[in-house]
Amino acid sequence: EDQVTQSPEALRLQEGESSSLNCSYTVSGLRGLFWYRQDPGKGPEFLFTLYSAGEEKEKERLKATLTKKESFLHITAPKPEDSATYLCACGGGSNYKLTFGKGTLLTVNP
Amino acid sequence: DARVTQTPRHKVTEMGQEVTMRCQPILGHNTVFWYRQTMMQGLELLAYFRNRAPLDDSGMPKDRFSAEMPDATLATLKIQPSEPRDSAVYFCASGSGTGVEKLFFGSGTQLSVL
Repeated sequence: EDQVTQSPEALRLQEGESSSLNCSYTVSGLRGLFWYRQDPGKGPEFLFTLYSAGEEKEKERLKATLTKKESFLHITAPKPEDSATYLCACGGGSNYKLTFGKGTLLTVNP
Repeated sequence: DARVTQTPRHKVTEMGQEVTMRCQPILGHNTVFWYRQTMMQGLELLAYFRNRAPLDDSGMPKDRFSAEMPDATLATLKIQPSEPRDSAVYFCASGSGTGVEKLFFGSGTQLSVL
């Protein structure tokens, strides 16, 4: 069974304090690893897709990386508006099903 | 700005009542997903449609949940009868392709069953 584990569950940073979120996965035949951002009261919003180990994607202060066992979401010099829950999801095997982790709640204090 | 539209945004009902949630996927998308989100379980897949055909509803309690796509612009999720344990946020998402791709989520229906 596919499994996705995110850590930490919650992370509190000061504005400008860089850090990383982790997503460990056990998926047979990874077809894609996805990062989403979720704000309170809203649905998840797509950030990145990574397909193979070694791949990296960047968007503003965020950079996602992928290895054969885990993915990291690096946040450089975060701002309060980066506060949200960040979700990792994996699609594997021959099916369409995305398995989501439970997310990391990020709070950035001014 | 294309978006997935879900109604209602909030629903409070009593145990035993029927609940219907509606979703309008993004025009041109051929895949529709229903997810349920709780603090304990996170996001769980309930049902999946491709080109309006139901391909998987193994995540749904079959005796009380049903999902349909009457046409390409409407997906519905029904619970009958509802139970307190059904209280959660229900999300609809749509995409284009075979399923493992970028999904666009609606804002969800917050369901409370008393």
